[in-house]
Amino acid sequence: GDSVTQMEGPVTLSEEAFLTINCTYTATGYPSLFWYVQYPGEGLQLLLKATKADDKGSNKGFEATYRKETTSFHLEKGSVQVSDSAVYFCALSAWGAQKLVFGQGTRLTINP
Amino acid sequence: GAGVSQSPSNKVTEKGKDVELRCDPISGHTALYWYRQSLGQGLEFLIYFQGNSAPDKSGLPSDRFSAERTGGSVSTLTIQRTQQEDSAVYLCASSFPEEQPQHFGDGTRLSIL
Repeated sequence: GDSVTQMEGPVTLSEEAFLTINCTYTATGYPSLFWYVQYPGEGLQLLLKATKADDKGSNKGFEATYRKETTSFHLEKGSVQVSDSAVYFCALSAWGAQKLVFGQGTRLTINP
Repeated sequence: GAGVSQSPSNKVTEKGKDVELRCDPISGHTALYWYRQSLGQGLEFLIYFQGNSAPDKSGLPSDRFSAERTGGSVSTLTIQRTQQEDSAVYLCASSFPEEQPQHFGDGTRLSIL
């Protein structure tokens, strides 16, 4: 079945460091790909998405590119801030399906 | 506008009791989803409602779990004869039909003693 694999956390970085959180997926057809974020004490919210190969999603300085050849959707940010501390979830919705399949989540902590 | 509303925010109950969790989706969203977030299993899909269509129940872990959606709006997730492994955060999400993203509520944290 469809699945998403994320790099295991927790990840701890200093402010202004470069961030990469790896995400790979297994799915039939052409899934849509998402990154959701859960800030401390808050609900899940969409960070960015991409719906077809080579699309780049971006928001709040974060970017991820839909790579069909490597079945990946890695999250990157050039300079992280303390306020980026949160749990990040990679997810997919398979072609013709609505439910989301999530990765395990990666807890990110940014130290000042 | 109002987001997805879930109640209660926290629920503590004894093993063997039944519990009901409520979700009020965003107005106009005809698609409604339940997910479960637990330490051992991560975030997993439970059930999906779309309009008057038969729900997709493929994620319900056992027959102790059921859900209904009355009037195409509010949904109730019921867990009968609760077990300790049911302890988790239960998340509800809604969206327009066949559209992403899904908008999530803050969840109900369920603890089974």
